[in-house]
Amino acid sequence: GAGVSQSPSNKVTEKGKDVELRCDPISGHTALYWYRQSLGQGLEFLIYFQGNSAPDKSGLPSDRFSAERTGGSVSTLTIQRTQQEDSAVYLCASSSLGGRTPYEQYFGPGTRLTVT
Amino acid sequence: QKEVEQDPGPLSVPEGAIVSLNCTYSNSAFQYFMWYRQYSRKGPELLMYTYSSGNKEDGRFTAQVDKSSKYISLFIRDSQPSDSATYLCAPNSGTYKYIFGTGTRLKVLA
Repeated sequence: GAGVSQSPSNKVTEKGKDVELRCDPISGHTALYWYRQSLGQGLEFLIYFQGNSAPDKSGLPSDRFSAERTGGSVSTLTIQRTQQEDSAVYLCASSSLGGRTPYEQYFGPGTRLTVT
Repeated sequence: QKEVEQDPGPLSVPEGAIVSLNCTYSNSAFQYFMWYRQYSRKGPELLMYTYSSGNKEDGRFTAQVDKSSKYISLFIRDSQPSDSATYLCAPNSGTYKYIFGTGTRLKVLA
């Protein structure tokens, strides 16, 4: 079946502009996660959705970052007034409780964001 | 101290070598220990997982957990160039919150 998809795959933007990153999770997966991956930093947790609610937003680095999920499916991560330090790969993952491990996460290919 | 520590590498080995990848962690509540593999410009994918202490073998891969020393290992036997990737450990306490290591970049030379 179809996996997690993300768009765009690459995004180059100028400092100060807003960007929207999209994630389409695996159909039926109720949980959705956003991570940020920078060189040498590993995967940094940003936000967790269960359905359309976000019970854990603790990883969002500043109020310039926001995310929403609609219809229990598609999610959008928005970064306002982008800064150069926002340059990274943004990964989305989804999970259900029926995986090999609790909350087994399936990742999309990521969006590579470059802020110039 | 970080919750999960992992040597970032890169680790270069000749084809056919045995590879040992390791992580240490600090949270004794972790019960599930995952290894994810990430190829260049792709998302991570679950390679293996272990519940609690002990070993688990899957083909050329063996995952090992020592909870007493909070040490996680992944061994790759007869390594192949196709194993060249970044390997991330991810211990978990059975909740939605995964804590990923920084990943170790492995290169297997033909």
